[in-house]
Formats: sequence, structure tokens, C-alpha cells
Amino acid sequence: NAGVTQTPKFRILKIGQSMTLQCTQDMNHNYMYWYRQDPGMGLKLIYYSVGAGITDKGEVPNGYNVSRSTTEDFPLRLELAAPSQTSVYFCAITETSTDTQYFGPGTRLTVL
Amino acid sequence: QKEVEQNSGPLSVPEGAIASLNCTYSDRGSQSFFWYRQYSGKSPELIMSIYSNGDKEDGRFTAQLNKASQYVSLLIRDSQPSDSATYLCAVRENRDDKIIFGKGTRLHILP
Repeated sequence: NAGVTQTPKFRILKIGQSMTLQCTQDMNHNYMYWYRQDPGMGLKLIYYSVGAGITDKGEVPNGYNVSRSTTEDFPLRLELAAPSQTSVYFCAITETSTDTQYFGPGTRLTVL
Repeated sequence: QKEVEQNSGPLSVPEGAIASLNCTYSDRGSQSFFWYRQYSGKSPELIMSIYSNGDKEDGRFTAQLNKASQYVSLLIRDSQPSDSATYLCAVRENRDDKIIFGKGTRLHILP
């Protein structure tokens, strides 16, 4: 996964709980992204960042928050978990020199 | 709302034949186009990118782009069972750095 790590790999939450999905890269790339993928579906962009201190909304930002205090880390926060947030979450970076997007291994989240 | 459309499949192709995957997009100003392969339970991996009208070949894979028709395709020659996966088409919007994905086409290569 080209230096993109995500934790945890799996998590079960109860409705209303909160949690942070961690994403860390060791390649010093500026562009980082959070996607969710529902079963049998494509990827939906939640938030993205073009550098430390800069974040922007994607297609489906409601119910999520992000921060980008360092180049390496781009955590995704769920404040009040809902069953609709059951999904697989992928963090990704773009290597601008080759215009290649690399994905982390994903976090499988279930909200019951 | 920018959209990327793909037939969800499954597309079944005999081993050794050519698999043809298609994608249309709504943003006429899009400049960058990508094909990703995703095995079940794994993360997507980039297999082809294309930026100009015409064909781009890489081994058994050929990407084709027609901006006038807002259409991009992926051909896989000499299909192998290991090509069985979901193929995601993705388009980068012209105005910023967001990449929009289609829902993917499931490809099944029949031995």
C-alpha cells in the first residue's frame, strides 16, 4: 500500500458513539483523501487535503470531520455514529510526480 | 453533480478473449482519467491513466479516451483468471483535485 497505513483494520461501534480513523503516510506527499465504499459500490469522497492546514469537503462530508495538522497524518472523525456510516473507509495519497493515487488497506466499520 | 457511469456487470469473458469495459462521465471539462482494479476485500490499485484522446497501451491493457463523446474504455487482451476483479473508472475534475469514481464493473474471466 505504498506507505499508507490505516488503523484500526476493523471496528464495531454502537449508535451515537464516536471514533477517529487514523491515516498516516511516510512519503511526504501533500495530497491526502478519505473515501468510503459501501458494498458493491464505488468510492465516495468524504474529505480531502492538499497540504497541512488545508482541508476541503468531498461528495459525502456530512457526519464526518477531518484535520491536517501535519503532512503525515490525516485523521477522520465520526462524532455520532449512525448505521448509515457502516462502510469500508479508505485513505489515499496522490504521488504528484506520477499522478498515481495509492490507497491504504482500509478500515471496515460497522455501526449497530 | 458530477457523475461517472459504469455498467455494474458482472461481465463474463472466456479466458483468452478480449474484455471491454466502458465508462462515461458528465463533466466535459475533465482532463484526467484513470482505471483502477480492485480485488475482493482489497484496496484499489491504479492500472492505467490517460489524458489525451486516443489509445494508450500498457502490456495487455489498452485505455481509450474520446473526450467529444465523454467516453473512456479499458480493453484487456488475452484475459486471464487473475483479471477477475472489479474495475473502477475515475475522473479528475477540471477545477480542483477531487477524483470522482464510478461504481465499478465486476469482471469474471471464465476458465
